[in-house]
Amino acid sequence: GIQVEQSPPDLILQEGANSTLRCNFSDSVNNLQWFHQNPWGQLINLFYIPSGTKQNGRLSATTVATERYSLLYISSSQTTDSGVYFCAVSEGAQKLVFGQGTRLTINP
Amino acid sequence: DGGITQSPKYLFRKEGQNVTLSCEQNLNHDAMYWYRQDPGQGLRLIYYSQIVNDFQKGDIAEGYSVSREKKESFPLTVTSAQKNPTAFYLCASSKGSGGAWNEQFFGPGTRLTVL
Repeated sequence: GIQVEQSPPDLILQEGANSTLRCNFSDSVNNLQWFHQNPWGQLINLFYIPSGTKQNGRLSATTVATERYSLLYISSSQTTDSGVYFCAVSEGAQKLVFGQGTRLTINP
Repeated sequence: DGGITQSPKYLFRKEGQNVTLSCEQNLNHDAMYWYRQDPGQGLRLIYYSQIVNDFQKGDIAEGYSVSREKKESFPLTVTSAQKNPTAFYLCASSKGSGGAWNEQFFGPGTRLTVL
């Protein structure tokens, strides 16, 4: 089955810094989503982005489907950005395959 | 408000007992899913259903059962055959297959602990 790798596994930054999270996947996909899991476990949808570039406020994402990777950019980080960021993909059937996540800690 | 609700938020089970986790959505979505998350890990698919009265096994279906009698509801039963049921369980839904209709949305989750 399809494999999803996220990097880095952990990232610690000061408030105001910028960050880039990466997601590599092993095969062609028809769905790619980025999520933020908050401290209570809720998965919050950030982007549905099987290809191209999208922006939402301080967050943006780019997926290069032909090279099988996606990047999530967070600018001017805030402490509320802390949590775990997941990339998930699907290749045909509707099930999502999740990466192991990147744990982001933003210190004040 | 449209959304996905899961209950209970916390559930404690004695070994050998079956328990049922509730998942309801009022988004008029056709497809629903159950995932399991273990500490420090990503989510893994247990079961999914693309339409009422139909469902398919995911990657880790052993020890679990589901039903889909109504479009809005997709309960998950954790049976005594599940060897290690302590985990965080998340329900999701999507409009259906095809393009942006694949986007999945998640409920708040149920934390199950086996005593």
